[in-house]
Amino acid sequence: DQQVKQNSPSLSVQEGRISILNCDYTNSMFDYFLWYKKYPAEGPTFLISISSIKDKNEDGRFTVFLNKSAKHLSLHIVPSQPGDSAVYFCAASQTGNQFYFGTGTSLTVIP
Amino acid sequence: ETGVTQTPRHLVMGMTNKKSLKCEQHLGHNAMYWYKQSAKKPLELMFVYSLEERVENNSVPSRFSPECPNSSHLFLHLHTLQPEDSALYLCASSHLGATDTQYFGPGTRLTVL
Repeated sequence: DQQVKQNSPSLSVQEGRISILNCDYTNSMFDYFLWYKKYPAEGPTFLISISSIKDKNEDGRFTVFLNKSAKHLSLHIVPSQPGDSAVYFCAASQTGNQFYFGTGTSLTVIP
Repeated sequence: ETGVTQTPRHLVMGMTNKKSLKCEQHLGHNAMYWYKQSAKKPLELMFVYSLEERVENNSVPSRFSPECPNSSHLFLHLHTLQPEDSALYLCASSHLGATDTQYFGPGTRLTVL
């Protein structure tokens, strides 16, 4: 039973527009969330994180929003660039325990 | 070399072979992990080593055998695998604590014939 779900396997966005990637989780005890980015033939690389005491964390063009009541996480990329084309994974954990990963969303930014 | 490295990057093996995957981290971390990524499935945690001791096993079949000789090296020994074990095997490391941000290697693409 998947505890972290990314229901959109793929997303296409025009360069310069906003990309919104979504993630849902089922375990209300999760209190730390990460987004990873993965290029082909490379391992996932850490992008941005958020803890449950916050509802937003921003790093340059990347912003992660957390809606605890909805058990929903989203990653906003604005403006989107062709180099952002990759697979994005969200991950969640309860402090002291393992991370659970989603299946990933493949983002394509069209020039 | 920096970060987390994995060798080999690609491996094809028969069901009766024995092979090993190697992972090395150059980040000074104390915890290392093996994950399996199958097509259209989430990353599945296989093993966790913290301070060179295994702390998590997640019911992985015994045909996968991990070894962590020191905090910088992690191996995954493979024997009598099945075709359904074909997947991308990712190694990761972090500072002590399973909830710390993990840094991943590039993975080994394993094909079992």
